Amino acid sequence: AQTVTQSQPEMSVQEAETVTLSCTYDTSESDYYLFWYKQPPSRQMILVIRQEAYKQQNATENRFSVNFQKAAKSFSLKISDSQLGDAAMYFCAYRRLDMRFGAGTRLTVKP
Amino acid sequence: NAGVTQTPKFRILKIGQSMTLQCAQDMNHNYMYWYRQDPGMGLKLIYYSVGAGITDKGEVPNGYNVSRSTTEDFPLRLELAAPSQTSVYFCASSYPLGSGGAPGELFFGEGSRLTVL
Repeated sequence: AQTVTQSQPEMSVQEAETVTLSCTYDTSESDYYLFWYKQPPSRQMILVIRQEAYKQQNATENRFSVNFQKAAKSFSLKISDSQLGDAAMYFCAYRRLDMRFGAGTRLTVKP
Repeated sequence: NAGVTQTPKFRILKIGQSMTLQCAQDMNHNYMYWYRQDPGMGLKLIYYSVGAGITDKGEVPNGYNVSRSTTEDFPLRLELAAPSQTSVYFCASSYPLGSGGAPGELFFGEGSRLTVL
């Protein structure tokens, strides 16, 4: 079964600085999707960024970018110019047929 | 824009009671899912469905049942509620991989907080 591991339960970043959240996953498949979701205190699940495994180019969405290392099964999220509104739980997820989530990283942004 | 609608949003149950969490989506998605999220934890997959009449177990199916009689609805049944089922439950829906817009993305409801006392 696919497993997703987030080894950083908590991370902290200064406003306007850059932070990287780590994620590794285990799969024997070659075709799949990877995601980062953000969950603020409202509990809403908000898609941050997606990466198709067949694409070598790393995905970017404004201040958010990923470092996708398929051979290493690593998928980290970089948040640039951190803002107070970025404070939330961040979940890494793997999707093939269903979607599996990591345990999450709680990001604190200090003003 | 309704998206994925879950009811109820909050519920308190006594041990041994049963209830059904309702989930409906209006995006014509084939795939639907139920997750639970315990405090400070990630989402664990309970059951999922790839279409009407087809369901399959996820990571934590014990104590739950599902049915999928229509494309739109995917109710989750809790039989003989136990304190271990105290959690926030999320329903989600999506297109199959490789089809439709928003490739691979799951669309989530707002969650249902269930407490079993």
